[in-house]
Amino acid sequence: DTGVSQDPRHKITKRGQNVTFRCDPISEHNRLYWYRQTLGQGPEFLTYFQNEAQLEKSRLLSDRFSAERPKGSFSTLEIQRTEQGDSAMYLCASSWGLAGIADTQYFGPGTRLTVL
Amino acid sequence: KQEVTQIPAALSVPEGENLVLNCSFTDSAIYNLQWFRQDPGKGLTSLLLIQSSQREQTSGRLNASLDKSSGRSTLYIAASQPGDSATYLCALSPGSNYQLIWGAGTKLIIKP
Repeated sequence: DTGVSQDPRHKITKRGQNVTFRCDPISEHNRLYWYRQTLGQGPEFLTYFQNEAQLEKSRLLSDRFSAERPKGSFSTLEIQRTEQGDSAMYLCASSWGLAGIADTQYFGPGTRLTVL
Repeated sequence: KQEVTQIPAALSVPEGENLVLNCSFTDSAIYNLQWFRQDPGKGLTSLLLIQSSQREQTSGRLNASLDKSSGRSTLYIAASQPGDSATYLCALSPGSNYQLIWGAGTKLIIKP
């Protein structure tokens, strides 16, 4: 297993366009997370899946953002009607966790989005 | 609201020195705290995870401590090497919901 992968690595789009990012977690991991990171800041939590169920969404995730994890494997993050403020690095992480036990999150390389 | 702060934002030291990176947080009710390393273009790598019941964790030249009562964690790097140059971030989980709240990081440069 080569770890968490994300596609594409870079995306440049025009304001108002829709974009979709894909994350493939480590195969046996049941948890998947999406974060957003802007330059010089730490990542900000966006959403979290336990298997195929989306259990948590940050208020940062406006109605223009939607995430799915069909069948509890890969996940997609879609941004509709992109705005310049959406320009950031979008990070995906996965982990294996049992209820009540701390887990280590493994991160992918990220997708850098630039909205012109 | 939980806030995580890392000071300084950047640090430059000569190779071979021992150094300490600091992380402070405002709410002592945490589930765990992790230290990560971020290299340009390579994403985030978890270095150490400390559960709320633990005081420290060690891995090779790295030692992380946790003092919940004072809202502080430190990452100690022994005998620093140029390959240690990276941005180091601390992140904590505020509860069993597993999301992480992050500091902005300390950019470390080790001069040969």
